[in-house]
This record gives sequence, structure tokens and C-alpha cells, in this order.
Amino acid sequence: GQQVMQIPQYQHVQEGEDFTTYCNSSTTLSNIQWYKQRPGGHPVFLIQLVKSGEVKKQKRLTFQFGEAKKNSSLHITATQTTDVGTYFCAVDLKRTALIFGKGTTLSVSS
Amino acid sequence: GAVVSQHPSRVICKSGTSVKIECRSLDFQATTMFWYRQFPKQSLMLMATSNEGSKATYEQGVEKDKFLINHASLTLSTLTVTSAHPEDSSFYICSARDTVTGLGIPNEQFFGPGTRLTVL
Repeated sequence: GQQVMQIPQYQHVQEGEDFTTYCNSSTTLSNIQWYKQRPGGHPVFLIQLVKSGEVKKQKRLTFQFGEAKKNSSLHITATQTTDVGTYFCAVDLKRTALIFGKGTTLSVSS
Repeated sequence: GAVVSQHPSRVICKSGTSVKIECRSLDFQATTMFWYRQFPKQSLMLMATSNEGSKATYEQGVEKDKFLINHASLTLSTLTVTSAHPEDSSFYICSARDTVTGLGIPNEQFFGPGTRLTVL
């Protein structure tokens, strides 16, 4: 079945450092979504990317969709302790179910 | 945005008992809801797609007789873990998409807060 590979699995940074997580697919994607899950919480929708080469920003978060629509990245500038959590990319299948990447767990020390 | 609730939030049960988890869309209608399972430090794994008024579609490896899904209305889907065993202990999360009125952006799924099941 369709899968998305997400790296790294874990990332620890000092507060103020940048952070990036990557998702890759072997097949062309119609769209890709990003979610954040805080420890003990449930996934919260961050954004959806649809267009080839699309770049979207939400404050310190920058989301990119590759030109070939096979990869995507989430970059956080100047991390804060509130950024702690696991970031998942997810692919929307034709029947509307989501397939999640394994996630990147971000920890931030102050 | 749209709100999805789950009940209960936590449940502890003895091995062999059955547990029912409810997933409700509070301010929208959902013809389709999804059930996911998440083990500690792992990703969400799709278990099944719940279709209002028809049988659920289960993912490969998920036993339909063990995980009974009922989607009797446009706002409620239930997952019953039958004869639960310790290996069924997990975080169960449902999600729904507003396919009727179009809340949220296209393809956005709204997740419930999850149910943490512990089977002793």
C-alpha cells in the first residue's frame, strides 16, 4: 500500500534552534497534510498542501511541497518549548482515509 | 472548527470483557468516520473506515469480529473491542470529515480527543 517515509524519528534542539522534518513518498501525491500531536493529546491539523512546489507559512512554521509532489517538509524557525510534540505528515487516500507517516518527535530544551 | 468528541476518554477493564467507544461529531454530519489505533511512541494506524448505514471497511490485519464498528447515524460511530486482551491496550482515536456542509478546508479531518484503553 501507499506509504510515506518520515525522518528523522526524533530530534532534540536547544530553544532558538531551527528544526525540520521530511516526508517522502515513492508515488506522486494528490496532497499532503501535516498534524501536530502534543504529548498525551490527539493530532491537530496544521495545514494541507496541494500544489506542486507550494510553500505555506504559519508564523515560524514553513511547509513545502516538492515540485514532483513526492516529498514535503516542515521547518520551524527559532524553536520554542511550546513547539514540543510529534509532527506527522499524512496522505489522503482516494477513499478519504489518512495514512500517517511515523512522525518526528521534537523535544526542546531551554 | 468542527468538533469531534469521544467517550470515554480512559477505560481500564479486565481481560475478556468488551469495551465500547463512542465517537460523535458535535456540530456537523459525517457520512464517514475513521478509527485509528496508536501504540506508545508510534504513529496512528488506520483500523477501519466507518460508513453511515453500511458495513465498515477494515484494513488488512484488523479483525472485524473483534473490533465491531457501528455507524448508525450521521453523528455517531461506535467501536466495540470484544473480548479485550492486554495486547489491545492502546490509544484509540476517531476522526471525521464534514462531507455534508463542508466545514474546514477540503479534505481536513477532525480528530476526537482519543480513548486510552488499558486491559489488565
